[in-house]
Amino acid sequence: DTGVSQDPRHKITKRGQNVTFRCDPISEHNRLYWYRQTLGQGPEFLTYFQNEAQLEKSRLLSDRFSAERPKGSFSTLEIQRTEQGDSAMYLCASSSQNWEETQYFGPGTRLLVL
Amino acid sequence: DQQVKQNSPSLSVQEGRISILNCDYTNSMFDYFLWYKKYPAEGPTFLISISSIKDKNEDGRFTVFLNKSAKHLSLHIVPSQPGDSAVYFCAASALTGGSEKLVFGKGMKLTVNP
Repeated sequence: DTGVSQDPRHKITKRGQNVTFRCDPISEHNRLYWYRQTLGQGPEFLTYFQNEAQLEKSRLLSDRFSAERPKGSFSTLEIQRTEQGDSAMYLCASSSQNWEETQYFGPGTRLLVL
Repeated sequence: DQQVKQNSPSLSVQEGRISILNCDYTNSMFDYFLWYKKYPAEGPTFLISISSIKDKNEDGRFTVFLNKSAKHLSLHIVPSQPGDSAVYFCAASALTGGSEKLVFGKGMKLTVNP
């Protein structure tokens, strides 16, 4: 296994369009996280799953954002009616369920909304 | 409000010398701390972590020190190498409180000059 993968790596879209990103975690990891990073800031937590259950959501996750992990493996993050303020790097991380288990990050998807 | 603070945006050191990166936090519920390194256009890479039951953790050239009373941690890199040049993020979580999310600082750019 080569680590967390994300697709696409880059996405340019026009304001108002919908976009969907995919994350494939490390295969034995049952926890999956989404973060967003904007210029000059650290990553900010959006949501996390344990298996297929979405256990925590940030207030940053407006109703235009939805995340799923239907079979407890890969996850998708959809943004509807994109706005210019959604332009950011979207990062996915995964970890196992052990106490103090490290979160390992993917390369991210860079979104630019024109 | 910024619960994890990295007050120095950048640091420049000579190859072979020690790099000391600092981080302060405000939330007394945080009990697990991590340092990540990030290169441009890549996701954060895990470096080292420390639990609040310890005050020091060492891994090769990297040592993290935790001062709970001061709510302060630091990362020491010795000897520093040019390949260490990157942005370093401090992150914290409140595992005992049941929160898996990481709260990140804004990062600090380290430049190691040959």
